[in-house]
Amino acid sequence: GQQVMQIPQYQHVQEGEDFTTYCNSSTTLSNIQWYKQRPGGHPVFLIQLVKSGEVKKQKRLTFQFGEAKKNSSLHITATQTTDVGTYFCAGPEDMIFGNEKLTFGTGTRLTIIP
Amino acid sequence: NAGVTQTPKFRVLKTGQSMTLLCAQDMNHEYMYWYRQDPGMGLRLIHYSVGEGTTAKGEVPDGYNVSRLKKQNFLLGLESAAPSQTSVYFCASSGARTGDFSGANVLTFGAGSRLTVL
Repeated sequence: GQQVMQIPQYQHVQEGEDFTTYCNSSTTLSNIQWYKQRPGGHPVFLIQLVKSGEVKKQKRLTFQFGEAKKNSSLHITATQTTDVGTYFCAGPEDMIFGNEKLTFGTGTRLTIIP
Repeated sequence: NAGVTQTPKFRVLKTGQSMTLLCAQDMNHEYMYWYRQDPGMGLRLIHYSVGEGTTAKGEVPDGYNVSRLKKQNFLLGLESAAPSQTSVYFCASSGARTGDFSGANVLTFGAGSRLTVL
């Protein structure tokens, strides 16, 4: 079955440093989603990328979808304490009645050193 | 505007006991999902439903049963709890596809239910 891997599993950065997490799928994806989960919280949708090579920005966050649509990355510029949490990518596994069943990556846990 | 509500938030069970987790959504979503989250394992799909009266198995369905008698509710049952089922359980829902065919639908998650089986 489809596998979605993320690296690194953990990342500790000094506040103000940049952070990047990478997502790799064993199969080509029609699209990819990113979610953020704060400590003790639940996953919250951040963004969806659909097109090959697509780049989207949300303030200090930059999301990229690979040209081959098998990988994606999330880059945070100048991290702040509010960025703490686990970041998950998720890709559709197959179609169910016209909708996709998402497979989540293992997540990258970001901690910030003040 | 509650979104997705899960009950209970916390539960401690003894091995062999049974229980039901309830998920309710008020967004008129067609699709509902139960995930479990374990350290280092990400989110794994247990069961899902594409509409009222339908259910299907996900990646890790063994030891769980589900029912979707009403569109807004999705129940997850443990008939005989085992310590391996100690986890945080998340319910999620999504609407029907809109837009072009290449876009998946966004999941809205509940706050989670932390289950401990002793």
